[in-house]
Amino acid sequence: SQTIHQWPATLVQPVGSPLSLECTVEGTSNPNLYWYRQAAGRGLQLLFYSIGIDQISSEVPQNLSASRPQDRQFILSSKKLLLSDSGFYLCAWSVRQGFYEQYFGPGTRLTVT
Amino acid sequence: GDSVTQMEGPVTLSEEAFLTINCTYTATGYPSLFWYVQYPGEGLQLLLKATKADDKGSNKGFEATYRKETTSFHLEKGSVQVSDSAVYFCALTTDSWGKLQFGAGTQVVVTP
Repeated sequence: SQTIHQWPATLVQPVGSPLSLECTVEGTSNPNLYWYRQAAGRGLQLLFYSIGIDQISSEVPQNLSASRPQDRQFILSSKKLLLSDSGFYLCAWSVRQGFYEQYFGPGTRLTVT
Repeated sequence: GDSVTQMEGPVTLSEEAFLTINCTYTATGYPSLFWYVQYPGEGLQLLLKATKADDKGSNKGFEATYRKETTSFHLEKGSVQVSDSAVYFCALTTDSWGKLQFGAGTQVVVTP
């Protein structure tokens, strides 16, 4: 069966510090991968999606970036965090191509102070 | 562009009450429709889905029917439990790469 992992589970970082969140998927090959952000009490905002290694699209301009160094690894990064980057970050995967459901990881709670 | 509109919450119910969460959508193509549930502090879990008109998705006592004529996908459960307290998201995709468009979410609180 497929599983998706995210770490860390929680993170408190000062403004201006760098960020690296990691997501890995097990039990499947060539997945589509997604990063979402959920601000407090709000819906989900798609940040990045990837259809393959080094094939990443950004949905919203911001100070975040994403990379996919391996087929089942997706990394969200920032060089300098802003207060507005606080939120709950969710990684998800889906079968490549098709109108299929996404499966979500447990999330990372990021607080920028 | 595509969009999903959900009824605002919170929705507060007593245990064993009937639950309905309204969801309507706007889409240029023929979307697949989903309901996700998020329990406190957790990621989202797929609750049910429907991929074409008149399909009924069901899971854990929840049901939703894909109504193309009214562009709706309302979620229902006949008898809620305290454990159903969560935030429910309606979502759609018309994208072959699977990008989802989510509604704002509806918080449901079930009291004993």
